[in-house]
Amino acid sequence: EDKVVQSPLSLVVHEGDTVTLNCSYEVTNFRSLLWYKQEKKAPTFLFMLTSSGIEKKSGRLSSILDKKELFSILNITATQTGDSAIYLCAVESGGSNYKLTFGKGTLLTVNP
Amino acid sequence: SAVISQKPSRDICQRGTSLTIQCQVDSQVTMMFWYRQQPGQSLTLIATANQGSEATYESGFVIDKFPISRPNLTFSTLTVSNMSPEDSSIYLCSVINTGSGEKLFFGSGTQLSVL
Repeated sequence: EDKVVQSPLSLVVHEGDTVTLNCSYEVTNFRSLLWYKQEKKAPTFLFMLTSSGIEKKSGRLSSILDKKELFSILNITATQTGDSAIYLCAVESGGSNYKLTFGKGTLLTVNP
Repeated sequence: SAVISQKPSRDICQRGTSLTIQCQVDSQVTMMFWYRQQPGQSLTLIATANQGSEATYESGFVIDKFPISRPNLTFSTLTVSNMSPEDSSIYLCSVINTGSGEKLFFGSGTQLSVL
């Protein structure tokens, strides 16, 4: 059974701190890894990673994938209160059928 | 990117009743997915809805409990039948857009509370 594990499950930091969120996975026929930010109900897309060692960057957020060790990290630098959200990691796997397995998420709280 | 409208946004229902959630996409899509997110839990796929055929349900989900309609390439409904408090969750519809770097788009979600 495909499995995606995120850590930590929750994290509280102060504005300006840098945080690193972790995602490890065990899936059959890996295709890609995706990061989402969920503030209220609907997750919004952050990154899609398919190749090892290539950093994806968007403003203060960045992410990298290690396909040998089967994990990814999401970094947020100079955190702001608006970064408070659940961050979800999902792994796309399988053959012809689309399959996406989600982790439980990391609840990030950024205090002023 | 696809724009997905989902309604209702939230509802409070009595046990034993049913609720139908609607999902409208602004473009034609082949595959639509329905997810459930119970409190403190991960997103779990309920079923995949393809136009013109019966939905494909994941293990633990059955058509009698979660009937799905997909009358065309832009619309789908999910019904939560004979509800119990355990059905209290966020329900999300989603679609794949292979034309962009973003693979899976989500609707705005339905927060369901069952008393």
